[in-house]
Amino acid sequence: QQQVKQSPQSLIVQKGGISIINCAYENTAFDYFPWYQQFPGKGPALLIAIRPDVSEKKEGRFTISFNKSAKQFSLHIMDSQPGDSATYFCAASFPGTYKYIFGTGTRLKVLA
Amino acid sequence: GAGVSQTPSNKVTEKGKYVELRCDPISGHTALYWYRQSLGQGPEFLIYFQGTGAADDSGLPNDRFFAVRPEGSVSTLKIQRTERGDSAVYLCASSLGGSNTEAFFGQGTRLTVV
Repeated sequence: QQQVKQSPQSLIVQKGGISIINCAYENTAFDYFPWYQQFPGKGPALLIAIRPDVSEKKEGRFTISFNKSAKQFSLHIMDSQPGDSATYFCAASFPGTYKYIFGTGTRLKVLA
Repeated sequence: GAGVSQTPSNKVTEKGKYVELRCDPISGHTALYWYRQSLGQGPEFLIYFQGTGAADDSGLPNDRFFAVRPEGSVSTLKIQRTERGDSAVYLCASSLGGSNTEAFFGQGTRLTVV
């Protein structure tokens, strides 16, 4: 019940295309859902985050869509660029907590 | 410093040896977390400090793992009698504290047990 399932495991997108990464969770007590971006040899960096009272959040080219009834959320990267090539992790946490449950990651490659 | 700093960046040790991994959080951040990231996996929570005390150590895999933060700033993760299965990247993160505040991660320490 504490798992966060992420798909796909890897993704190849042409430059300018849309990258879509999906996550699903079981525990409805989760109340915070961040997405992290990780480059090789670096630590994860927060990209964008959402709470379940909002169905969509957009920051620049990055959008989170949240479907509370389906217990799913997704990251959309518009106009994907080669510099977006990285591993993306979704995560979830419980109210009043500080520890994230991470998905298994999606390795994105954007072709120039 | 400007970000979370972890030392060393790489550590190779022999099975059975003792290792210490250091984390310097962002100045002023009261919350500090340790995660472990195995190859091809997402980070897994190990332990959380609020100030000097370990508020939650439920993620530590066994009693060979221990962490301290004696002055509420720098933290050290200690692993005794290392095993090959301990090989992973150990990530430290810090935040201002409070629930659901952004955690800033360091670059990690890659531990290899041979």
